[in-house]
Amino acid sequence: GEDVEQSLFLSVREGDSSVINCTYTDSSSTYLYWYKQEPGAGLQLLTYIFSNMDMKQDQRLTVLLNKKDKHLSLRIADTQTGDSAIYFCAEPSRYNFNKFYFGSGTKLNVKP
Amino acid sequence: DTAVSQTPKYLVTQMGNDKSIKCEQNLGHDTMYWYKQDSKKFLKIMFSYNNKELIINETVPNRFSPKSPDKAHLNLHINSLELGDSAVYFCASSRASGQGIDTQYFGPGTRLTVL
Repeated sequence: GEDVEQSLFLSVREGDSSVINCTYTDSSSTYLYWYKQEPGAGLQLLTYIFSNMDMKQDQRLTVLLNKKDKHLSLRIADTQTGDSAIYFCAEPSRYNFNKFYFGSGTKLNVKP
Repeated sequence: DTAVSQTPKYLVTQMGNDKSIKCEQNLGHDTMYWYKQDSKKFLKIMFSYNNKELIINETVPNRFSPKSPDKAHLNLHINSLELGDSAVYFCASSRASGQGIDTQYFGPGTRLTVL
């Protein structure tokens, strides 16, 4: 539901892996989403995971889902300076799939 | 080619004024949204329309009035602007009306500054 939580900042060096964490509250969520917001732009869908999956890999992105702990993570391998952005996790409301609750966003800073 | 567009991109106005923000999507989606992003980047839904019908109406002051003339457009009118209305307002759209995966596509945002 409304309390989707993320840490606010993450700083990594170029080439390292980044792991962005999120805790959500509604165990009935069927899909969970990761969005990316670059400076001065709107949010873009990065990836999503269906709740019956533990892991989803998409090129440099790996999403891990721990339903028991209601914990979602996004791992970015070989992080590049272009990955610097704010990353939001989101879950839909159990009562209305259109209504998304977004986390506070994690600002990823990639140092060269 | 722009999927979800908003105008204006920036809006600076005095307290007490009335202003509108426009949104258009060319994706053929049935559902459109308005979100408010505050200075801490916290993003909260305000309204949603499906085929011109209001389906989500969060606890928003009634100075905010959305209008959907057709399913491709959702405008936001704000009366008697207050300092606390300063934020970035995002429009979004999605295809489905509540089942399964439903990606929301966001516009570039309108940065509203109330002086």
